[in-house]
Amino acid sequence: EPEVTQTPSHQVTQMGQEVILRCVPISNHLYFYWYRQILGQKVEFLVSFYNNEISEKSEIFDDQFSVERPDGSNFTLKIRSTKLEDSAMYFCASSSGTVNTEAFFGQGTRLTVV
Amino acid sequence: QKEVEQNSGPLSVPEGAIASLNCTYSDRVSQSFFWYRQYSGKSPELIMSIYSNGDKEDGRFTAQLNKASQYVSLLIRDSQPSDSATYLCAVSRYSSASKIIFGSGTRLSIRP
Repeated sequence: EPEVTQTPSHQVTQMGQEVILRCVPISNHLYFYWYRQILGQKVEFLVSFYNNEISEKSEIFDDQFSVERPDGSNFTLKIRSTKLEDSAMYFCASSSGTVNTEAFFGQGTRLTVV
Repeated sequence: QKEVEQNSGPLSVPEGAIASLNCTYSDRVSQSFFWYRQYSGKSPELIMSIYSNGDKEDGRFTAQLNKASQYVSLLIRDSQPSDSATYLCAVSRYSSASKIIFGSGTRLSIRP
């Protein structure tokens, strides 16, 4: 069964460092998303991406964040200068985008900023 | 007003019984409704989607949608200990190409 895969599963970084989280969406999907979940809190939308551009972003997704689809298979989330409050689980998701279809989530990357 | 509201629980249900999970949403133009299951430390796993008023059944799971009342529910029949998890109600404005807004989740515990 096709699945969304994310790497790494766990990333520890020092405050102020840049991190790149990687995702391989399901191959025939056209819409890609990043969500995050701070420990004990709800899953929050960060950004959606379609046709090589951002289609929607939340207020969380500020100038420190960027997304890219560099090679037609990977979908990345970059955090330029990490803060302690960026510590969370980051989930990538993808969808075929046709009417009434679902979004499927990867297993997540746990980001710990120290 | 929260966009998607759920009772945080925990909801404790004996094994073999029916678990009933409820959710309300505030955005009247929402079109797509989902239930995800999330085990501790894991990612959300889609278990049901529903798009029109009424009931939708899939195995032991039944999702119910009432757009007039802005209410979604999930019934789990013959509850098993493996059903113990947090259940996330999620809503999207159009198709799933739109962002999904999640509720905070209801913790369900199935006691043997």
